[in-house]
Order: sequence, then structure tokens, then C-alpha cells
Amino acid sequence: SQQGEEDPQALSIQEGENATMNCSYKTSINNLQWYRQNSGRGLVHLILIRSNEREKHSGRLRVTLDTSKKSSSLLITASRAADTASYFCATDAGGGSNYKLTFGKGTLLTVNP
Amino acid sequence: GAGVSQSPSNKVTEKGKDVELRCDPISGHTALYWYRQSLGQGLEFLIYFQGNSAPDKSGLPSDRFSAERTGGSVSTLTIQRTQQEDSAVYLCASSQTGAPSNFGPGTRLLVL
Repeated sequence: SQQGEEDPQALSIQEGENATMNCSYKTSINNLQWYRQNSGRGLVHLILIRSNEREKHSGRLRVTLDTSKKSSSLLITASRAADTASYFCATDAGGGSNYKLTFGKGTLLTVNP
Repeated sequence: GAGVSQSPSNKVTEKGKDVELRCDPISGHTALYWYRQSLGQGLEFLIYFQGNSAPDKSGLPSDRFSAERTGGSVSTLTIQRTQQEDSAVYLCASSQTGAPSNFGPGTRLLVL
């Protein structure tokens, strides 16, 4: 069964707007990561947040983590058409099995020029 | 530098045939992973290599699936007697330590 569940499944916005995607998970985690996948391409690692962190920034990306609610959000500010892609969250349980990522089904983001 | 590469990029085969998928990890990365992405699904873990050994094969869906890694580098995922439900994108990733950091472009497998 999927550990991460992204919400919404699809999101369409105008260039310049902010995009927020959410991820919920079921069991305790060690790390949570966000990836981007352009159509027909491999995954690109965006950002990793550890279970003892609450917020992390990288350029136009902001990730939050609420372990009490078992949820994370990815905010992309000032979106661009090039941000159009599917976004996935992935969790690992640590304890020597941090290679075994559990992915959600993703959010398809469309940024209209 | 060069990223993870996979070949072929696309593979169409008939049900019952065997297929081999290849992954070339980033040079120096000791960890290598195979994941599968089925239509409308998230990625699912298949197998993890540390060097040439596979400490975790728990994600392989059946005994028709096998993988090997030689010289601590190239890995081959073999699917025997393919079934239509094997159709998916097979993604390989590598890293020096920890979780997968660099994914390849994937091999799209279609079993007719």
C-alpha cells in the first residue's frame, strides 16, 4: 500500500502564482523527500526534510513537515511554465532501510503561461 | 558529469518473452536501486544493491524477476516470461550512501 498520498491529484495555475501540494503518510518516518518528474523523464530530487525539522527552503521551494499530523507540504512560489511536472513525496523509515522509499501517486502540476 | 543511464529507453515485447533492462549508475556510487512505476501508481521499490550484493530483494513481485550487478557498476534487471501486468516504467537510481538521489530516465516496458 502507498505510504504517501499527495493532494491534490492535479493542480492547474497561472504563471506567477504559488502552488501548494500536500502529502500525508501513515507510519513513522525518518526522512521525507520531494521529487519532480517531467513527462517521460526520470525523477529529479528536489529537497529532503528530516523528521526533526519543521521547515526547509531551497530557492523558490519551501517544504514543511508536521510529524504530529503525518503531513508535509511543498510550496513553489512565483511559478513558471517550466515547473509543469508531476511532484511526488517519498518517505523512508530509517533504521538501515532508508533506501526503501515509499512514494505517493503524485500531484500533476500544470503552470499555464 | 554523466548521470544514471538506462537502456533501452523503450521496449515492446510479446507476452511470454524474456527481457533485460540495463542500468549504468553514476561512477563511484556503491548503492543502486530499481523501482517500478505503473500507470497511475506511485513508484514501488523492487531491489537494492550495495556493491554487487543485494541485501534487500523484497520488492521483486515474483520469481520471474531477477537482478544482478557486476563490478560494482552496471546492473541488469531480467524479467522472464513477461506478462501484461509487467508493463510499466522501470527506474534505476544510484547514490553513494543513504536514499536514492539520482534517478535514470527509465525504461518503458510494454508487454503485448
